[in-house]
Amino acid sequence: QSALTQPPSASGSPGQSVTISCSGTSSDVGGDNYVSWYQQHPGKVPKVIIYEVSKRPSGVPDRFSGSKSGNTASLTVSGLQAEDEAEYYCSSYAGSNVVVFGGGTKLTVL
Amino acid sequence: EVKLVESGGGLVQPGRSLRLSCAAAGFSFEDFGMHWVRQVPGKGLEWVSGITWNSGGIAYADSVKGRFVISRDNGKNSLYLQMNSLRVEDTALYYCAKDTAYVITDTFDIWGQGTMVTVSS
Repeated sequence: QSALTQPPSASGSPGQSVTISCSGTSSDVGGDNYVSWYQQHPGKVPKVIIYEVSKRPSGVPDRFSGSKSGNTASLTVSGLQAEDEAEYYCSSYAGSNVVVFGGGTKLTVL
Repeated sequence: EVKLVESGGGLVQPGRSLRLSCAAAGFSFEDFGMHWVRQVPGKGLEWVSGITWNSGGIAYADSVKGRFVISRDNGKNSLYLQMNSLRVEDTALYYCAKDTAYVITDTFDIWGQGTMVTVSS
């Protein structure tokens, strides 16, 4: 059970797009289509924004999109807005009822 | 209103035990997998343990395996975490989270506000 690897930080200007990566192994990210992304604002509870690699829960803007290639998943935020500044975490099902999270990426809107 | 409310946190000495509870409301608790996730203030999320709808599937993070026990009582709409042999590194905010499926997946759509556990002498 190793944590998924995310860059510690990412940034972009309002209106731009930014992509956050999440690297794992063939046992987790690369194993099936269970990859989720969570957004957490300071002092708030995490909120799921992407599940099953690329699906968006109701109410999540379509500016948020997810994808996966091999053992690496990605979250893209298009048309950056000030309220997108937050910590983002990826997660994956790792088999045998185990779940792993990434270390988190702090997204700064410049 | 759909909600999860954790309780049972507090200050405890290393080596002692603590039991966390999570009360669920507003949804059919017995139909969903449930999880405990912890977060050291200012740090990242760490999945701790998960349990399927009928307690038939249970798993733990390596960091707590053999020390923590997850359980649920569907009749009481409650999830529990028995934490034994606590260590300083178990200090964190413990969240209860609802899975979107009856089994264990990595998608948690409802989170409680968390209960703080501090392990210190």
